[in-house]
Amino acid sequence: EVQLVESGGGLVQPGGSLRLSCAASGFTFSSYWMSWVRQAPGKGLEWVANIKQDGSEKYYVDSVKGRFTISRDNAKNSLYLQMNSLRAEDTAVYYCARDPFEYSSSYFDYWGQGTLVTVSS
Amino acid sequence: SYELTQPPSVSVSPGQTARITCSGDALPKQYAYWYQQKPGQAPVLVIYKDSERPSGIPERFSGSSSGTTVTLTISGVQAEDEADYYCQSADSSGTYRVVFGGGTKLTVL
Repeated sequence: EVQLVESGGGLVQPGGSLRLSCAASGFTFSSYWMSWVRQAPGKGLEWVANIKQDGSEKYYVDSVKGRFTISRDNAKNSLYLQMNSLRAEDTAVYYCARDPFEYSSSYFDYWGQGTLVTVSS
Repeated sequence: SYELTQPPSVSVSPGQTARITCSGDALPKQYAYWYQQKPGQAPVLVIYKDSERPSGIPERFSGSSSGTTVTLTISGVQAEDEADYYCQSADSSGTYRVVFGGGTKLTVL
């Protein structure tokens, strides 16, 4: 059974940093692209970043470029999101999602339950 | 920036057919995907590659594509189908950036 379990969320002050983790199990982690998707309270879904199987390619939504870094450790079956210079508008539930990346396009066939990040003073 | 446009809400009675549309200029060149999200839960993929249904998704869910519009159709709507539905596709410029529609709230009357 595919499982994705996020951790690392919490309350952080504006300008602060946080590192999210996603532990994957039930599939060959190193064979899949992976993504982070977020959802602000009461709002829609927003893709944040994705990463290729070997970490050689990474893409970001413009609003987080230069502040967030996606990474992975295939030996530990883990995905990460390092978030720096956090802003109030980064407040959201952050989901880890498996990305089959077919036909040069990302989509998400399994999702974690999410971890809440709140940026507030 | 590239956008996908969905109606904010759709309402149907149980047993009727619900159709949720999603419009975007790149949809003729990129596949569309649909997700169902119930309150307090993570999204679930219900349609991929415009019209394919993942295993475990009921047959009443189907997808279609025509030009710059894709449509999620739910036939014989049940109370449990009440949820937010999001379409998703990709920017066709080769940047691998993902775009979601704004979401449609399906209400079962």
